[in-house]
Amino acid sequence: DQQVKQNSPSLSVQEGRISILNCDYTNSMFDYFLWYKKYPAEGPTFLISISSIKDKNEDGRFTVFLNKSAKHLSLHIVPSQPGDSAVYFCAALNAGNNRKLIWGLGTSLAVNP
Amino acid sequence: NAGVTQTPKFQVLKTGQSMTLQCAQDMNHNSMYWYRQDPGMGLRLIYYSASEGTTDKGEVPNGYNVSRLNKREFSLRLESAAPSQTSVYFCASMFPDYEQYFGPGTRLTVT
Repeated sequence: DQQVKQNSPSLSVQEGRISILNCDYTNSMFDYFLWYKKYPAEGPTFLISISSIKDKNEDGRFTVFLNKSAKHLSLHIVPSQPGDSAVYFCAALNAGNNRKLIWGLGTSLAVNP
Repeated sequence: NAGVTQTPKFQVLKTGQSMTLQCAQDMNHNSMYWYRQDPGMGLRLIYYSASEGTTDKGEVPNGYNVSRLNKREFSLRLESAAPSQTSVYFCASMFPDYEQYFGPGTRLTVT
């Protein structure tokens, strides 16, 4: 039972355009969400997070939007750069329950020059 | 400040052999984690340790044991390796704001 779902295994965009990566979740008890980026042969690296009390968080070219009623979050990258080509993982947790992150399966983003 | 370090980086084992994967963090984090990553499977939690002296099973604990030796170190042991344990193993520790910091990974092949 996948509690965090990333329904698009891959995404391809042109350099300079917007990349939108989507994530859906089923557990209404999740109250914190994170995005990670992973390059081949490296460990995942933290990108951006959002608390469930917010609907938007922005950090430079990266913005995460949270729609709690739809149990949906998205990561926007504007403008996309070739160096953004990586696998992006969405993760969620119930901060009051335990400190385990629940992970999606990832979306592979290719930004074409 | 090295962050999270993992040894070894690569390992080849024969079926039935045992080995211990080492992980250490220098960020004074309480919580540490072991994951495995397989193609198409994302990151799956093997074991975690919420604090020194405690360990708990994740979603795929069978065939593994862990030791939280002290606050810095969290090791993962394969007692009798099986080909199904061929994977990339990541150790992570968690900041108070829930961000996890990952090590570079150990690539394990069991033949």
